[in-house]
Amino acid sequence: AQKVTQAQTEISVVEKEDVTLDCVYETRDTTYYLFWYKQPPSGELVFLIRRNSFDEQNEISGRYSWNFQKSTSSFNFTITASQVVDSAVYFCALSEEMNNNDMRFGAGTRLTVKP
Amino acid sequence: GAVVSQHPSRVICKSGTSVKIECRSLDFQATTMFWYRQFPKQSLMLMATSNEGSKATYEQGVEKDKFLINHASLTLSTLTVTSAHPEDSSFYICSALGAGIHQPQHFGDGTRLSIL
Repeated sequence: AQKVTQAQTEISVVEKEDVTLDCVYETRDTTYYLFWYKQPPSGELVFLIRRNSFDEQNEISGRYSWNFQKSTSSFNFTITASQVVDSAVYFCALSEEMNNNDMRFGAGTRLTVKP
Repeated sequence: GAVVSQHPSRVICKSGTSVKIECRSLDFQATTMFWYRQFPKQSLMLMATSNEGSKATYEQGVEKDKFLINHASLTLSTLTVTSAHPEDSSFYICSALGAGIHQPQHFGDGTRLSIL
């Protein structure tokens, strides 16, 4: 069965610090997708990135970057020069093609960025 | 981009009431829709998967008679929480999956259900 582990329950940083959120996954499928979502206090899920299992290239989008390593089954997310507005709960998720693409979420990491 | 509308965004009602939540894909046809539940400070847990025109598939531990799902069209799925009780209070989020391979899920903004 697919499984996503976000070992960091809560992280607190001071503004402008860099922070990395860890995500480790388990799957038997060869075709799968990994996601990161941001959930602010208002509750809606904000899509950040989707990466398929055949694309191990790291990605950078502004202050956000993602490191996908199949060898360690990890898909870590780094925020550079964090800002107060980055405070939210961040979820890593996995969907497997063989499981009708239903999405399994990690427990989430609550990030607090202090001014 | 693809938009999923979820309504209502918030419901407060008395114990014993049945509550219907709608999930609509506004600009694409959703062959599959998913319903998630999120208790405070917890992760999203998949409740059920619904395919248009067929019965929903429920995850283990989710009562199908309690949480009725209807996916009557390619743009609408509804979740009805029957005879809701305080323990059903939660944040419910739907997502929709378009037809075709490798389509991502698109999430609604969620419904916060509070049962008094």
